Amino acid sequence: DTAVSQTPKYLVTQMGNDKSIKCEQNLGHDTMYWYKQDSKKFLKIMFSYNNKELIINETVPNRFSPKSPDKAHLNLHINSLELGDSAVYFCASSQGVTITSGNTIYFGEGSWLTVV
Amino acid sequence: QKEVEQNSGPLSVPEGAIASLNCTYSDRGSQSFFWYRQYSGKSPELIMSIYSNGDKEDGRFTAQLNKASQYVSLLIRDSQPSDSATYLCAVKGGSGNTGKLIFGQGTTLQVKP
Repeated sequence: DTAVSQTPKYLVTQMGNDKSIKCEQNLGHDTMYWYKQDSKKFLKIMFSYNNKELIINETVPNRFSPKSPDKAHLNLHINSLELGDSAVYFCASSQGVTITSGNTIYFGEGSWLTVV
Repeated sequence: QKEVEQNSGPLSVPEGAIASLNCTYSDRGSQSFFWYRQYSGKSPELIMSIYSNGDKEDGRFTAQLNKASQYVSLLIRDSQPSDSATYLCAVKGGSGNTGKLIFGQGTTLQVKP
């Protein structure tokens, strides 16, 4: 069973469209994240939720809106897509927000978004 | 200045050699440091963490931390072609209980048979 699963894995869409990426974890974790990895492999946190509460909200355009219906799910909705939004989006989860060797972040397989 | 800096490489080493990957960070108050490995087209996976100055060994991997120099490194002994990947250095940033991982841009390692 996949621990952190994201859908879709690949998404090609036109500029101006609205799209969503869904994420689910079956690890029983209470903290979930969205990270963005650009073409230069730079992995940067966007949002983090702990027990459905937003705890990290980095400086991202407000076209990006996360939603956590329960602690096992964290979805990412993107409005008015732009070329610069093309990237790999990784969902991740952990138990609590304190990251240690015994409490690591588990990443999903990534969602490749291409805006044309 | 980037918060976490790595040489993007590629770093090319022959099979069996020691690969040395380096990382510097800007926040002197950082306490937790991690190395992730990412194969092409895959997600990052944690391979090492280190919190105290000095060396920490795990199999063929050794992490080294020098907080005074704000420097963390990863040594891979007896490098294998299967070690070819991008290695991401990550530093726990933020305060209190809202810590987040700040990643460097990664170093691509190529191990040649």
